[in-house]
Amino acid sequence: TQLLEQSPQFLSIQEGENLTVYCNSSSVFSSLQWYRQEPGEGPVLLVTVVTGGEVKKLKRLTFQFGDARKDSSLHITAAQPGDTGLYLCAGVPSGSRLTFGEGTQLTVNP
Amino acid sequence: DTAVSQTPKYLVTQMGNDKSIKCEQNLGHDTMYWYKQDSKKFLKIMFSYNNKELIINETVPNRFSPKSPDKAHLNLHINSLELGDSAVYFCASSQDREVGYTFGSGTRLTVV
Repeated sequence: TQLLEQSPQFLSIQEGENLTVYCNSSSVFSSLQWYRQEPGEGPVLLVTVVTGGEVKKLKRLTFQFGDARKDSSLHITAAQPGDTGLYLCAGVPSGSRLTFGEGTQLTVNP
Repeated sequence: DTAVSQTPKYLVTQMGNDKSIKCEQNLGHDTMYWYKQDSKKFLKIMFSYNNKELIINETVPNRFSPKSPDKAHLNLHINSLELGDSAVYFCASSQDREVGYTFGSGTRLTVV
């Protein structure tokens, strides 16, 4: 059983569309991180959220941490082909080690 | 200047061989990690070193042995390679695990 469940696993959309990726757990996390991984490269940290209810924006990307600190979402507005990649959430459950979700593979078609 | 660099990028070898992957970070981070990413893209922690001291050793076969000569380097040696060891191995470093990790670009190991 995965500690962090990501959905959807795969997402293929057209350029200009909006999308949301979810990261859910039954455990409370002291923080959640989002990474993007492109083919042949390592994951790159996009953002870390630490406060329940926190919202962070990175250009067209909006990250939200759930009030109960058990879930997070990533919303992309007007997706571009350059947004294509594997999106990973990761978190530290209280007193434990960093755990990764299984990832969402996003493809944005021109 | 690459923050976390690992070599080689690709490694193709025969079953039974011994191989090493090297990792260096120039970020001054205290903690370094080795992760294995399987064909389904799931990242699983293998080892973690904090200032040259082993702090995480997940259920990994004894054939895998990490070595940290100093806090900027963490190498991974694998003995008697098996087909199931084929994967992408990532080195990473962090100063605070709750803030985030910096990953290397990975080593794709193929055992034939």
